[in-house]
Amino acid sequence: TQTVSQSDAHVTVFEGDSVELRCNYSYGGSIYLSWYIQHHGRGLQFLLKYYSGNPVVQGVNGFKAEFSKSDSSFHLRKASVHWSDSAVYFCAVSATQGGRALIFGTGTTVSVSP
Amino acid sequence: GPKVLQIPSHQIIDMGQMVTLNCDPVSNHLYFYWYKQILGQQMEFLVNFYNGKVMEKSKLFKDQFSVERPDGSYFTLKIQPTALEDSAVYFCASSPWGGGRAETLYFGSGTRLTVL
Repeated sequence: TQTVSQSDAHVTVFEGDSVELRCNYSYGGSIYLSWYIQHHGRGLQFLLKYYSGNPVVQGVNGFKAEFSKSDSSFHLRKASVHWSDSAVYFCAVSATQGGRALIFGTGTTVSVSP
Repeated sequence: GPKVLQIPSHQIIDMGQMVTLNCDPVSNHLYFYWYKQILGQQMEFLVNFYNGKVMEKSKLFKDQFSVERPDGSYFTLKIQPTALEDSAVYFCASSPWGGGRAETLYFGSGTRLTVL
């Protein structure tokens, strides 16, 4: 069974700061990893995903994430945040064999102050 | 971009009643999902559905839950009877069937279910 953990429940940054959101996973087989964003009162929106190849994945709105097999991690980063980046960010994992269920972490709430 | 529509956005019912949550997935998508979120907490997988069948379900998908998608209509989640602990926001999602596993899910805005 695959699991995913997000160690930070809440992160507060100032507009223009960089931010890193941590995601660690555990699974014995091959997986794919993704990040989703949820603005208040809305559904989740896809940011980026990693399946194979280049471990650094570029997503929308300046987000990128780096896969590390040795660290079992898929951390999300943005160099300069905007107030509109305030949202909850979910890391997700799915096994490449067997089921297709996307399993989400507990989420990290990002608050961007002006 | 592609949109998943969920109707209604909010539903209030009495415990023990039946409720049906409706989802209109992206038109050419073939794989459908329901997730449950209790007020700002984790998105919990309930079930996924393909080609008229439940493919996977979690332990949260109790016997009182059922899903279906009659041809050309909504993908529905039915709860009968409802319990207080069913109060949550239910999100529908869909994805295309490309044969691979690294697919993107498209989510609706959710239906907030309140069981009194």
